[in-house]
Amino acid sequence: LAKTTQPISMDSYEGQEVNITCSHNNIATNDYITWYQQFPSQGPRFIIQGYKTKVTNEVASLFIPADRKSSTLSLPRVSLSDTAVYYCLVVPISGSARQLTFGSGTQLTVLP
Amino acid sequence: SAVISQKPSRDICQRGTSLTIQCQVDSQVTMMFWYRQQPGQSLTLIATANQGSEATYESGFVIDKFPISRPNLTFSTLTVSNMSPEDSSIYLCSVRTGDNYGYTFGSGTRLTVV
Repeated sequence: LAKTTQPISMDSYEGQEVNITCSHNNIATNDYITWYQQFPSQGPRFIIQGYKTKVTNEVASLFIPADRKSSTLSLPRVSLSDTAVYYCLVVPISGSARQLTFGSGTQLTVLP
Repeated sequence: SAVISQKPSRDICQRGTSLTIQCQVDSQVTMMFWYRQQPGQSLTLIATANQGSEATYESGFVIDKFPISRPNLTFSTLTVSNMSPEDSSIYLCSVRTGDNYGYTFGSGTRLTVV
């Protein structure tokens, strides 16, 4: 199973762009990268996923270099409501949750 | 993506008792998953529940302690048995809703054992 490493915490200010980088050195060919957001007292919420290069949706962008050993979640112009824990996961394309392993996550705190 | 209703949202229980947590999904899904999130920690997968077969438990979790039912493709229950204060956690159910949406999680059940 590919293990992920990400910063424990990050602080930012409202209106700034936030980039959270995740390391997954032993990612396999059949793995894709996915990010979840969790607010206090709620379950994690899917943000974005990708296999390579760049993926963008209405919430965030995900940058994956050619070697796929890391990925960067980019949140444009964060607001106070973006304060949450962000999890990076590596998931096999087969989709078995037995291999959906959560790391420690990154606590993002957005300051006014 | 799927919508999950999880009950109860929270409970305070006496040690030695059991609590059954329910998870209802608004669509049919093959697999449902149960997680535990201890205070201030990340999520840990407890087991995978398939309809019509016994649940598959992860290392460190056993059926006697966390029996799971999966009577149909939209419903599952997790029971936390013979509870102790160490079982105080948030318990979450989850389903996979397709490649474009990843996994959907319930809002969780916050369990406090006293």
